[in-house]
Amino acid sequence: KAGVTQTPRYLIKTRGQQVTLSCSPISGHRSVSWYQQTPGQGLQFLFEYFSETQRNKGNFPGRFSGRQFSNSRSEMNVSTLELGDSALYLCASSLLGRRNTEAFFGQGTRLTVV
Amino acid sequence: AQTVTQSQPEMSVQEAETVTLSCTYDTSESDYYLFWYKQPPSRQMILVIRQEAYKQQNATENRFSVNFQKAAKSFSLKISDSQLGDAAMYFCAYRRLISNFGNEKLTFGTGTRLTIIP
Repeated sequence: KAGVTQTPRYLIKTRGQQVTLSCSPISGHRSVSWYQQTPGQGLQFLFEYFSETQRNKGNFPGRFSGRQFSNSRSEMNVSTLELGDSALYLCASSLLGRRNTEAFFGQGTRLTVV
Repeated sequence: AQTVTQSQPEMSVQEAETVTLSCTYDTSESDYYLFWYKQPPSRQMILVIRQEAYKQQNATENRFSVNFQKAAKSFSLKISDSQLGDAAMYFCAYRRLISNFGNEKLTFGTGTRLTIIP
């Protein structure tokens, strides 16, 4: 069974540009979450999607947005990039239900804003 | 709000020895899950072990076991017979169960960098 796939693995963007990151969850997983990891702030929750609907959102500005498609693949978009957006962006997929609480992570997208 | 605290930024252990990583958390909920994730240099977060709060028995997975003290809100990870491949960042994480079908976000600690000394 294929794991969570994130593309691209590495990205370099210029301040002010926008970027789109992609995440393909494990087959059958309908919940997709996004996390930002930085040395200063650690791992922070961005948002979660289930059945194409955003169910939870973390404390990030509106420049950070996402969506989920009918095949459960998800994208996140960051507009008007700032230097502080440089981070590892991790996507995780989950089944739902009491016995399926594990989040399975992709390898991440390393975004560098210059 | 839930918080997770890992007070040991770095730990080291001799190969084949045992090491314990500490984690405390704060929550007013009674139904939740706790996890230990490992993040090696490849950066992929790998689930090591999980504990369901309603279970009193401590979880074990081969060389990995936890000491879950619900009243004290403590969740430590013990790694026995440490191997070079265990070297990584270890994150403790909390997830509230909001319903039979709802999962809430993972709240992570700041991590403990584990070094294995050959």
